[in-house]
Amino acid sequence: GENVEQHPSTLSVQEGDSAVIKCTYSDSASNYFPWYKQELGKRPQLIIDIRSNVGEKKDQRIAVTLNKTAKHFSLHITETQPEDSAVYFCAASKGSNYQLIWGAGTKLIIKP
Amino acid sequence: SAVISQKPSRDICQRGTSLTIQCQVDSQVTMMFWYRQQPGQSLTLIATANQGSEATYESGFVIDKFPISRPNLTFSTLTVSNMSPEDSSIYLCSVGQGLYNEQFFGPGTRLTVL
Repeated sequence: GENVEQHPSTLSVQEGDSAVIKCTYSDSASNYFPWYKQELGKRPQLIIDIRSNVGEKKDQRIAVTLNKTAKHFSLHITETQPEDSAVYFCAASKGSNYQLIWGAGTKLIIKP
Repeated sequence: SAVISQKPSRDICQRGTSLTIQCQVDSQVTMMFWYRQQPGQSLTLIATANQGSEATYESGFVIDKFPISRPNLTFSTLTVSNMSPEDSSIYLCSVGQGLYNEQFFGPGTRLTVL
């Protein structure tokens, strides 16, 4: 069946450095790729998304890239800050359906 | 994005009982989803609940265990029936909004079954 693999499971970076989280999807029909941030005890929050007709999207310190050929997409966070510490989930649409297939999550730790 | 609320926010229940979780949205939405999230784990889709049609369940989830209602475009309920300790989890509803039905989540219901 369809799946999304997410790496790494834990990422520790120095404050001010960049962080990159990578995901691979299996369904070639997937056309929507959101990223969610979940702080401890809170709901997942949509932080950025990309559609299959776009290769890159940026929003301030956050950017997402998509390689459709390789079925890879990545989240890039620059100039990391303590408030970036959270679990980040990638997801891919189930074909062109509105349902999402979720990655396992990456725990991002920002060291002061 | 829509304001989404869930009731109850948490509950402790005895095995064999049932709990109904409510999800309320402040605007009309076509698509609603119910998820389960175990501590430290990813999200698992239980079912998709669209108004005017029967809920569509994912593999491993059945209507008898997780009946869902969707009486209108702003409200849905998920019932966890005949609970066992394995049902202890966080249950989240989400709604699809926007041009591409981006999903936004409710605050979740933390369920503990003793």
